[in-house]
Amino acid sequence: SQTIHQWPATLVQPVGSPLSLECTVEGTSNPNLYWYRQAAGRGLQLLFYSVGIGQISSEVPQNLSASRPQDRQFILSSKKLLLSDSGFYLCAWGASGDTQYFGPGTRLTVL
Amino acid sequence: KQEVTQIPAALSVPEGENLVLNCSFTDSAIYNLQWFRQDPGKGLTSLLLIQSSQREQTSGRLNASLDKSSGRSTLYIAASQPGDSATYLCAVGTGTGANNLFFGTGTRLTVIP
Repeated sequence: SQTIHQWPATLVQPVGSPLSLECTVEGTSNPNLYWYRQAAGRGLQLLFYSVGIGQISSEVPQNLSASRPQDRQFILSSKKLLLSDSGFYLCAWGASGDTQYFGPGTRLTVL
Repeated sequence: KQEVTQIPAALSVPEGENLVLNCSFTDSAIYNLQWFRQDPGKGLTSLLLIQSSQREQTSGRLNASLDKSSGRSTLYIAASQPGDSATYLCAVGTGTGANNLFFGTGTRLTVIP
């Protein structure tokens, strides 16, 4: 069966510090991968998606970047965090046209 | 751009009651629609997926319907239980990108024992 992992579970970082969040998927090959952010009082917003290794598409202009160095690994990064980057970050995987499956999330607080 | 709205934002019902959650979307050219459940501080759990050619899907006590032409979907929960308490999210798949999803802001359901 497929499993999706995210770490860390929680993170508190100062403004201006770098960020690296990691997501890995087990039990499937060549999945579509997604990064979403859920800010307080707002719905989930798609940040990045990837249909293959090295293929990254961004949905919104922002302070973040994403990379997919391996088939089942998706990384969300920032060189310098802003206060507005605080939120709950969710990674998901899915096959085209099918259900998306979500990881447990990372709660990021930028102080 | 697709806009997804869920009403009401919060709902409290006594245990055992049947209930309906509503979702509306502005662009009827959708690929599919998903309903998710989110417990506080947790990730999302997929409940039901309806393809654009389907009218409804059922899983246990849950039934989701889709009326694409009117831009509406409903999630029906029968015989509600306290364990059903969670936030329910509706998400529309547009078929663009990697079938990117547009989410509503959710309905927070509380089932009172």
